Amino acid sequence: QVQLVESGGGVVQPGGSLRLSCAASGFTFSSYGMHWVRQAPGKGLEWVAFIRYDGSNKYYADSVKGRFTISRDNSKNTLYLQMNSLRAEDTAVYYCAKDGVGYCIYWGQGTLVTVSS
Amino acid sequence: DIQMTQSPSTLSASVGDRVTITCRASQSISSWLAWYQQKPGKAPKLLIYKASSLESGVPSRFSGSGSGTEFTLTISSLQPDDFATYYCQQYNSYWTFGGGTKVEIK
Repeated sequence: QVQLVESGGGVVQPGGSLRLSCAASGFTFSSYGMHWVRQAPGKGLEWVAFIRYDGSNKYYADSVKGRFTISRDNSKNTLYLQMNSLRAEDTAVYYCAKDGVGYCIYWGQGTLVTVSS
Repeated sequence: DIQMTQSPSTLSASVGDRVTITCRASQSISSWLAWYQQKPGKAPKLLIYKASSLESGVPSRFSGSGSGTEFTLTISSLQPDDFATYYCQQYNSYWTFGGGTKVEIK
């Protein structure tokens, strides 16, 4: 069955960097687009970034554009999110999700990122 | 950017009630809308895609309707497992979630 396992979260100071990973299994990873979605504590869902199945196109929310980079390694079945210049408002649980032609068909359990001094 | 507005933000209901949640888009999104259910501490779960298509394994008491700018998620007979927060998401132009609707016990 489909499994998505995020890792790499933790506590980081404002202005710092962090790289999240999402290990995928149970499906042909190289055939599907992938999303990152985040949820600040007690708040709603916010779409963060999307990458096409082959990495040829990437899209970002305005709130992270220029600071975050989505990438993938299809040989390792792994999705990444490089987060730079982190701010307090980036504190959230970050989910990776498999794309089902636009919508998020499967979600990982999430990894918590806390930006605090 | 397309904005998604859900109403109500909180809904109090009893087991067996018929529940309707509304999602409005700031411009037409055709039928490119999904609905998700999220329980505390858990990842969201897809319920409905393309406005009215039921995801495999989702109980038939869930249904979606609408097109253009106005959409609804209906639970025909609320069950104890359905108390959760529900989100709509447009995927016509980039991706945007609604603010969520918490369905709580009356």
